[in-house]
Amino acid sequence: DAGVTQSPTHLIKTRGQQVTLRCSPKSGHDTVSWYQQALGQGPQFIFQYYEEEERQRGNFPDRFSGHQFPNYSSELNVNALLLGDSALYLCASSWGQGDQPQHFGDGTRLSIL
Amino acid sequence: GESVGLHLPTLSVQEGDNSIINCAYSNSASDYFIWYKQESGKGPQFIIDIRSNMDKRQGQRVTVLLNKTVKHLSLQIAATQPGDSAVYFCAENPPLRNNDMRFGAGTRLTVKP
Repeated sequence: DAGVTQSPTHLIKTRGQQVTLRCSPKSGHDTVSWYQQALGQGPQFIFQYYEEEERQRGNFPDRFSGHQFPNYSSELNVNALLLGDSALYLCASSWGQGDQPQHFGDGTRLSIL
Repeated sequence: GESVGLHLPTLSVQEGDNSIINCAYSNSASDYFIWYKQESGKGPQFIIDIRSNMDKRQGQRVTVLLNKTVKHLSLQIAATQPGDSAVYFCAENPPLRNNDMRFGAGTRLTVKP
């Protein structure tokens, strides 16, 4: 039973560039949420996808966008990268829209130079 | 704004002792809570959850206590082992925000042999 998988594991970009991160949910899960975790802090909710639509959004600018595919996998896109976007980006999956435990991948470490 | 917080940033215990990690939450309407464990270089790992209609829930070597009167959550780990060393996060799900988990900054648990 595969857990949540994310790719790539590490990425280095420069300011102004664009990046796409990918996530495959745990088998049986249909909801994908993305979080940003700065060093030494807890994860912060970016947004959530269910049935290929963005259902919830945290306090992140429009530079952060996403997509969910029919197979429930998801992408996180960040445009016009800033130094402050350097963080661990975590994907979590769950089943349905109720209060359900979210299972996390090991994240993509994004460094902006 | 309302947020989840933690009483102590670090906790050091002797192997075999019991550990208690505390968490304060400020949104009295939150109805679902999760404890996560995060090891270095890994994503958060689900430990145990509790809904607001419960005061206590037990798992394998772990117990979560919820005190809604004072908006306090705790995680008790019995017979703490070196493998329990990690950062522990409590997370709350605010009302009407399915799967938008709000994390605290975390407590680093160190187990001394």
